[in-house]
Amino acid sequence: EVQLVESGGGLVQPGRSLRLSCAASGFTFDDYAMHWVRQAPGKGLEWVSGISWNSGTKGYADSVTGRFTISRDNAKNSLYLQMNSLRTEDTALYYCAKDSAIGRYGGISDWGQGILVIVSS
Amino acid sequence: AIQMTQSPSSLSASVGDRVTITCRASQGIKKDLGWYQQKPGKAPKLLTYTTSSLESGVASRFSGSGSGTDFTLTISSLQPEDFATYYCLQDYNFPYTFGQGTKLEIK
Repeated sequence: EVQLVESGGGLVQPGRSLRLSCAASGFTFDDYAMHWVRQAPGKGLEWVSGISWNSGTKGYADSVTGRFTISRDNAKNSLYLQMNSLRTEDTALYYCAKDSAIGRYGGISDWGQGILVIVSS
Repeated sequence: AIQMTQSPSSLSASVGDRVTITCRASQGIKKDLGWYQQKPGKAPKLLTYTTSSLESGVASRFSGSGSGTDFTLTISSLQPEDFATYYCLQDYNFPYTFGQGTKLEIK
């Protein structure tokens, strides 16, 4: 069974940084691309970032480009999101998500339960 | 970025009804589209991928169709557990983009 467990969220002031982590289990982590998706309170889903199985390619939403950095450690079965220069509009539930395709990008097949990030002074 | 325009934003329907939700992409995305169901307080759940492939374990009353820029999710006969919010997601290229969501409510 695929398990994705996020950690590292919390309350942070505008302009500060936060690093989210995602511990993955139940599948061969280094076979799959991974993603972060967020959902602001009462709003829809927003794809934030994705990373290929070998970290060779990465992508970002326009809203976070230059501020957020995605990374992974295949030896630790872990995904990360470094969030810098946080803004109040970054307040959201952040989901770690597994890609559906082996060795390439596809859709999103599995989701964690999410971790809340609140950016407020 | 590719924009996904989803409609309607909300929909009232009755158990047993046939319901269709649409997504239109701002440019062609071949068949690289998935549909997700989200219930309050829960993570999204994959329903269909590559436009029309049904995810394992998903009820056969759900079906997806389309290609290029126009896509639909159809629920053939609504069940009580289907009342939720539905999203499309294009995975054709980065940045991936979701539709705005369709909230399906009980009439």
